Amino acid sequence: KNQVEQSPQSLIILEGKNCTLQCNYTVSPFSNLRWYKQDTGRGPVSLTIMTFSENTKSNGRYTATLDADTKQSSLHITASQLSDSASYICVVSGGLSGNTGKLIFGQGTTLQVKP
Amino acid sequence: NAGVMQNPRHLVRRRGQEARLRCSPMKGHSHVYWYRQLPEEGLKFMVYLQKENIIDESGMPKERFSAEFPKEGPSILRIQQVVRGDSAAYFCASSPPGLAGGLAYEQYFGPGTRLTVT
Repeated sequence: KNQVEQSPQSLIILEGKNCTLQCNYTVSPFSNLRWYKQDTGRGPVSLTIMTFSENTKSNGRYTATLDADTKQSSLHITASQLSDSASYICVVSGGLSGNTGKLIFGQGTTLQVKP
Repeated sequence: NAGVMQNPRHLVRRRGQEARLRCSPMKGHSHVYWYRQLPEEGLKFMVYLQKENIIDESGMPKERFSAEFPKEGPSILRIQQVVRGDSAAYFCASSPPGLAGGLAYEQYFGPGTRLTVT
């Protein structure tokens, strides 16, 4: 069964600190892995997209890593800001849908940054 | 270039009524996807459409739900005879035409429609 599991479920950190969110997936075949940020009451916004050949990709203070062998990904946030408070969702494209673009979503990690 | 637009943003229906959710994709985008997010759960794929065609509806409930993306106008997700379990946020995403797979399928999400069934 194609699944995407994220940890931790929720996280509270102080402003200025770093944090790392984890994602494990069992989707096969694999096309690409994405991290989205979803603010409360809003739609998800893409942070990074990585194919199996990419190990790391950065977008400002966000850095995603991918290990296609162990089927694990992480999202590292440096120097957190209050505006980073949101749900971070790991999403994998692939599986039997192949090139139809169907995405499989993780449950998300809810991050709260406190002053 | 306006983003993906959805309306209404909030919709309240009584049990048994019909709900119609609209999605206007980004300009130049010909692929539309609908997702449902139940309270405290992740997004779940429902249906993938291109203009006048349903490409993949494997995530759609077999009854009461239908979707269309006509040649002209927005994509419509229609829920007939709504029940309390239909209460959720419904998100639409769009992507541009392109080569199969990978980065060609970056999806841009709308703000969602929050459906409440009373």
